[in-house]
Amino acid sequence: SQELEQSPQSLIVQEGKNLTINCTSSKTLYGLYWYKQKYGEGLIFLMMLQKGGEEKSHEKITAKLDEKKQQSSLHITASQPSHAGIYLCGADEYSSASKIIFGSGTRLSIRP
Amino acid sequence: SAVISQKPSRDICQRGTSLTIQCQVDSQVTMMFWYRQQPGQSLTLIATANQGSEATYESGFVIDKFPISRPNLTFSTLTVSNMSPEDSSIYLCSVGALAGTYNEQFFGPGTRLTVL
Repeated sequence: SQELEQSPQSLIVQEGKNLTINCTSSKTLYGLYWYKQKYGEGLIFLMMLQKGGEEKSHEKITAKLDEKKQQSSLHITASQPSHAGIYLCGADEYSSASKIIFGSGTRLSIRP
Repeated sequence: SAVISQKPSRDICQRGTSLTIQCQVDSQVTMMFWYRQQPGQSLTLIATANQGSEATYESGFVIDKFPISRPNLTFSTLTVSNMSPEDSSIYLCSVGALAGTYNEQFFGPGTRLTVL
């Protein structure tokens, strides 16, 4: 079965600094998702990557998927307090709106 | 994107009782899923809710404990039966839809369940 490992498990970053979260799959992915969860709330869709080498950006968040489609990174530039939360990577092995398996999550705190 | 609502948003229940959680979507969707998020943990898929047929459960989850209904393409329910404190979690429904060539999934706000 699909397994996703995220690192680090938690991260405390000084406001204004950059940071990177990694997600590694045991299998080649059909699609890789990044979600953000505010503590105790639902998930907010950030980005979905499908092609090897693909990179997408939204505001100060950039996500990349490696050529082999087994590893993704999420990079935040000039972090702000609003970036705090839990970041989850998710993956589906197959097409056609299939289920997503999630990584363990990365808890991000921003220090003023 | 799909707008998803869940009821109740939170509940506190006694052990041995059952709770039914509702998930409503503002558009017809093919795929609906139910996830559980235990305290401090990531999301674990419970089952895929299939319209017009029985749900497909993941390993470790059974229909007797988590019966699911999917009467139409916009609505589903998850029941947590014979609850114990270990069932205290956030339960989230999500919907999947093809967007071009890939699968988008959107999540409801979740139902926070505490079992005493």
